[in-house]
Amino acid sequence: NAGVTQTPKFQVLKTGQSMTLQCAQDMNHNSMYWYRQDPGMGLRLIYYSASEGTTDKGEVPNGYNVSRLNKREFSLRLESAAPSQTSVYFCASSPERGGLYEQFFGPGTRLTVL
Amino acid sequence: GENVEQHPSTLSVQEGDSAVIKCTYSDSASNYFPWYKQELGKRPQLIIDIRSNVGEKKDQRIAVTLNKTAKHFSLHITETQPEDSAVYFCAASKGGSYIPTFGRGTSLIVHP
Repeated sequence: NAGVTQTPKFQVLKTGQSMTLQCAQDMNHNSMYWYRQDPGMGLRLIYYSASEGTTDKGEVPNGYNVSRLNKREFSLRLESAAPSQTSVYFCASSPERGGLYEQFFGPGTRLTVL
Repeated sequence: GENVEQHPSTLSVQEGDSAVIKCTYSDSASNYFPWYKQELGKRPQLIIDIRSNVGEKKDQRIAVTLNKTAKHFSLHITETQPEDSAVYFCAASKGGSYIPTFGRGTSLIVHP
């Protein structure tokens, strides 16, 4: 099992450009999450999907959109990148009721917006 | 919503010493408390967790204690080794919620 995979690993964008971060899991998990990690701020939830077909906002959703393409895949889109979105992005999955079970994280995407 | 405070933000110890990281939470309904370890440049990974029906849980050199009355829980690492150097995150969540709330992390540095 590959677990949770993310692409790309690194990305540099110019202000105003758009991009999509891809995430996939092969553990048949129901719940998937997108976090951003900034120094001293811990892990902040951007969006989550409790199950296929549903998505909900987290703590810091502004400037992002998500798509739960199927049970395996959950993508994060930046429509018009801003320097404040420079961060490390982690995708995670959980069997169900993510609050009560371990979260499995992907390797992360390091994004720089110039 | 839930609020999780984690202290200290940085902890420096000598190899062989013990390390303790503490977290407090605000929602008395929270009943699941995991701890994640993140090595430099790597992804967070679960190292131990505890549920509200248990007061203490051990796994070799690491242990977690939970005080539901005071709404705090702690991670204890004994006989620290350089490979324990990492950022540690606590989290709290409750049934019916799909979202754990994370603390801001503790950077543990173990000096050889």
